[in-house]
Amino acid sequence: DQQVKQNSPSLSVQEGRISILNCDYTNSMFDYFLWYKKYPAEGPTFLISISSIKDKNEDGRFTVFLNKSAKHLSLHIVPSQPGDSAVYFCAARSTGGGNKLTFGTGTQLKVEL
Amino acid sequence: DTGVSQNPRHKITKRGQNVTFRCDPISEHNRLYWYRQTLGQGPEFLTYFQNEAQLEKSRLLSDRFSAERPKGSFSTLEIQRTEQGDSAMYLCASSLGQNNEKLFFGSGTQLSVL
Repeated sequence: DQQVKQNSPSLSVQEGRISILNCDYTNSMFDYFLWYKKYPAEGPTFLISISSIKDKNEDGRFTVFLNKSAKHLSLHIVPSQPGDSAVYFCAARSTGGGNKLTFGTGTQLKVEL
Repeated sequence: DTGVSQNPRHKITKRGQNVTFRCDPISEHNRLYWYRQTLGQGPEFLTYFQNEAQLEKSRLLSDRFSAERPKGSFSTLEIQRTEQGDSAMYLCASSLGQNNEKLFFGSGTQLSVL
């Protein structure tokens, strides 16, 4: 049972444009959400997070939006840069879950010149 | 380098052999996690420690898998009688042990079972 879903395995965007990566979840107990970026042969690195009490969080070029009623979150990257090309994972944590994260399957973002 | 360190980076073994991986977390981190990632999937939780206590194990962790964190510092993950289905990237992560905090991941150990 995939509790965190990233339905787009890949996304291609032109440099300077906006990248929008989507994530859906099914578990109502999730209360904290994170985005990780992963380059080949490296471990995931933290990008940005959002608590369920908020609907938006910004950090530089990265903004995460949370729609709790739809159980949907999205990551916006603007402007996109070639160095943003990586696999992006959405992850979620539930209250009392011991900080254990449940990950989606990832979206491969390619930013083209 | 004060990040999470994992050794070895790569391990090739024959089916039926035992393998052991090591993880050195960030020094002040109390929590240590093991995840497994296969091609096309996200990392899947295996187990985690709070200091030396193993607090949760996923049902993915069969009896052939055992993890330890004897002094609350480094951790080892052993797989006995490896099977081809064990081939995956094994990721270690650590965190301070506070609410709503991020996990810091190592670069992983890529296991190939022939």
